[in-house]
Amino acid sequence: SQLAEENSWALSVHEGESVTVNCSYKTSITALQWYRQKSGKGPAQLILIRSNEREKRNGRLRATLDTSSQSSSLSITATRCEDTAVYFCATGAPRFGAGTKLSVKP
Amino acid sequence: EAGVTQSPRYAVLQEGQAVSFWCDPISGHDTLYWYQQPRDQGPQLLVYFRDEAVIDNSQLPSDRFSAVRPKGTNSTLKIQSAKQGDTATYLCASSFITGGGEQYFGPGTRLTVL
Repeated sequence: SQLAEENSWALSVHEGESVTVNCSYKTSITALQWYRQKSGKGPAQLILIRSNEREKRNGRLRATLDTSSQSSSLSITATRCEDTAVYFCATGAPRFGAGTKLSVKP
Repeated sequence: EAGVTQSPRYAVLQEGQAVSFWCDPISGHDTLYWYQQPRDQGPQLLVYFRDEAVIDNSQLPSDRFSAVRPKGTNSTLKIQSAKQGDTATYLCASSFITGGGEQYFGPGTRLTVL
């Protein structure tokens, strides 16, 4: 069973716009990870946010964590075509959700 | 530094055939993971090792799947008698637990069972 799930199957934005991917999880966690997977590649970790952190940034990426509602978000500002990928949240070993497919159009 | 390498990159089998996947983790990484990723789904953890010991294989279909990491470095995942439902990409990842545990994934092996 999935311990973490993204809340949208697919999102589409134009270059330069901002976008947010949301995730909910089911159990208490010590950390939550956001990954990006481009076509034909393995996932790559973007941000690891620990349970005692509320926000973490990595360049144009910003992750938030709300342990009271067991939810997290990943925001991307000034999107680029190369941000087109599937975005996953994961907890534990880790165990992944189904992913949100983000398309960034020119 | 070389990343996680996997071979083969692609495999096509008939049902009932056997196949093995090989993974070479990043040097010095003590933890190695195998995932199954069906098309349009997230990776599903099958098994993971710390050094040569199996830590969790609860999601590994034990009747047909096996995984070993005999010297705590490279690993092999084997499927005996493949089924069409095994069609997926098989991903290997490694991490160094003391280094924060960030996982580094290989490119995967895309398996098609006809």
